[in-house]
Amino acid sequence: EAGVTQFPSHSVIEKGQTVTLRCDPISGHDNLYWYRRVMGKEIKFLLHFVKESKQDESGMPNNRFLAERTGGTYSTLKVQPAELEDSGVYFCASSQDHAIQQETQYFGPGTRLLVL
Amino acid sequence: AQTVTQSQPEMSVQEAETVTLSCTYDTSENNYYLFWYKQPPSRQMILVIRQEAYKQQNATENRFSVNFQKAAKSFSLKISDSQLGDTAMYFCAFLNNAGNMLTFGGGTRLMVKP
Repeated sequence: EAGVTQFPSHSVIEKGQTVTLRCDPISGHDNLYWYRRVMGKEIKFLLHFVKESKQDESGMPNNRFLAERTGGTYSTLKVQPAELEDSGVYFCASSQDHAIQQETQYFGPGTRLLVL
Repeated sequence: AQTVTQSQPEMSVQEAETVTLSCTYDTSENNYYLFWYKQPPSRQMILVIRQEAYKQQNATENRFSVNFQKAAKSFSLKISDSQLGDTAMYFCAFLNNAGNMLTFGGGTRLMVKP
């Protein structure tokens, strides 16, 4: 079974440009999460999808970030326009729908974003 | 809001020896879940071990075990018979019973030396 995949693995862009990150969750996982780790800080939650619906986007830093999950399969996270402080590693995770208890989140390899 | 603290930014251990990574957390909830994730250099983060707070028995996965002290809000990870492949960044994480977001500690970089 394929794990969570993310594309690209690395991205270097200039301030003001746009970047789109993609995440493909584990097949059959309804829950999809985005996290990020900026330099020297903890990994922070950004948002959570259940299928195609945004369940919680309380961690999104500002309106320059837009996440979508059309069709409830893969998700994209667009940063427009990118700023220097957006540099970091963006992780995606997925989990199965839970009826009884919280399911484990499985992480992708991350996208390393550098804004110059 | 929950917080997770890993007080050891870096640690090292000799191959075949035992090492313990510390993690403390703060929450007012009674039911929750705790995790240790491992991220080897240039590789993706994988789950090492998981503990449900309502279970008194400490979780164990082969060479990895936890010491879960609920009253003290402590969740340390013990790695026995350390192997070179255990070299990685280790993250402690908290998930509340009703929530969806993991709260992570700052990570501990573990180096296993031959």
